[in-house]
Amino acid sequence: EAQVTQNPRYLITVTGKKLTVTCSQNMNHEYMSWYRQDPGLGLRQIYYSMNVEVTDKGDVPEGYKVSRKEKRNFPLILESPSPNQTSLYFCASIRTIPSTDTQYFGPGTRLTVL
Amino acid sequence: GDSVTQMEGPVTLSEEAFLTINCTYTATGYPSLFWYVQYPGEGLQLLLKATKADDKGSNKGFEATYRKETTSFHLEKGSVQVSDSAVYFCALSDRAGGTSYGKLTFGQGTILTVHP
Repeated sequence: EAQVTQNPRYLITVTGKKLTVTCSQNMNHEYMSWYRQDPGLGLRQIYYSMNVEVTDKGDVPEGYKVSRKEKRNFPLILESPSPNQTSLYFCASIRTIPSTDTQYFGPGTRLTVL
Repeated sequence: GDSVTQMEGPVTLSEEAFLTINCTYTATGYPSLFWYVQYPGEGLQLLLKATKADDKGSNKGFEATYRKETTSFHLEKGSVQVSDSAVYFCALSDRAGGTSYGKLTFGQGTILTVHP
C-alpha cells in the first residue's frame, strides 16, 4: 500500500528541547516536503527536497532543519522549539520523474510547545 | 508569487442543499489546480484535480472547472450530506516554477458544516 508515515502523531514538549519528527514514504518518490497548518492560514511549505541530498527552503523555514540522506526518509528537526511552532505538521511526497500531479500526505503530527 | 484565495468560512448548510466554495488563484505559469478535503482529526485527501484550462475535475458528487479566463476553480456539489462536513482546501501546483515544481500553494481553507 502506497503511504506516507509520520511519527510521532502527537507531541507535547517544552521550549528549547530539540525534537525530530520523522517522515517516510514507500513509493520511491523524488520530491518530499513539509507543511505546517495553522487556522486561517491554510498549509504553508516549510522545506522541500528534490532528491537525496538536495533540500531547499519553502515559505516558512525559520526555526526548522531537514535532511535527506535516503530517498524514503525526510525528517523535520526543531533544534530549539518555541511556542510559535505549535502547529499541525504534514509531510508529503510526489513523483516527479515522470511527473504526476498526485501528492501523498502523511497523517499529520500535532505539536504543542509549552 | 503564487497565491490562492478561498471564500471566507465557515459555511453551514442543511442536508441536500447546494454547495459552492469559491476559489481564485494567481500563478506565474500554467498551474494544476486541486481541491483537498480534511475530515475531522484526519490528514488531507485529494478530492479532485484539473491540469489544464476548461478541464473539469469530479469525485464523490463534487465538481470544479478550471477557468483560466477568470482564474477560478470553484467547488460545487448539488446535494450535500452530513458526511461532507470537513475543511476544504483549494490548492495549486505551478509546473513552470522551476525548482518550485511539486510545491502546493494552499488557500486558507473553508470549514463546511452540514446539518441533518
